Amino acid sequence: DAGVIQSPRHEVTEMGQEVTLRCKPISGHNSLFWYRQTMMRGLELLIYFNNNVPIDDSGMPEDRFSAKMPNASFSTLKIQPSEPRDSAVYFCASCPGRNTGELFFGEGSRLTVL
Amino acid sequence: QQQVKQSPQSLIVQKGGISIINCAYENTAFDYFPWYQQFPGKGPALLIAIRPDVSEKKEGRFTISFNKSAKQFSLHIMDSQPGDSATYFCAASMSGGSNYKLTFGKGTLLTVNP
Repeated sequence: DAGVIQSPRHEVTEMGQEVTLRCKPISGHNSLFWYRQTMMRGLELLIYFNNNVPIDDSGMPEDRFSAKMPNASFSTLKIQPSEPRDSAVYFCASCPGRNTGELFFGEGSRLTVL
Repeated sequence: QQQVKQSPQSLIVQKGGISIINCAYENTAFDYFPWYQQFPGKGPALLIAIRPDVSEKKEGRFTISFNKSAKQFSLHIMDSQPGDSATYFCAASMSGGSNYKLTFGKGTLLTVNP
């Protein structure tokens, strides 16, 4: 069974450009999480969805960040406009729920904003 | 406010030695405490997890020790191997309902020398 699939794996863009990161969770998982990883701040939860509904977006740093989950098999994280301080690895993870807290992470999208 | 504090930041151990990583939490409502292992270029993956109704959980060479009164838990890796070299994250969450919003520690970079 395929794991969590993220694209692109690497993105280099210039300040001010729009960036869209994509995630396909594991089929049957009803929770989806977006995390950001940096050396300074570690793994930070940005937003999570349960049954496609955003439950908690308190970790989204500012209005430049937005996330959607139009259906159970797809989610996007968008940054517009991007800034150099957004450079990080962005992880998507899904969770089956059903009394297990195991998160299954994708391999991440490494974003560099010049 | 950092809700999960992890130490040390980095750890070097000789092959065959014991690796010990410690975490402390603040929120007494946390009731699920996993450890994740991350190799370079990969997403974190669940290694072992514990709930506060037990004080210790062992899976192979990996053991979690949990002290509820002190609000601390630790990961012990026995007979450490070079293949264990990775970054280890402790985490905590409240598992009410189907929401597993994990708060991660900042990670420990473990190097096991041959």
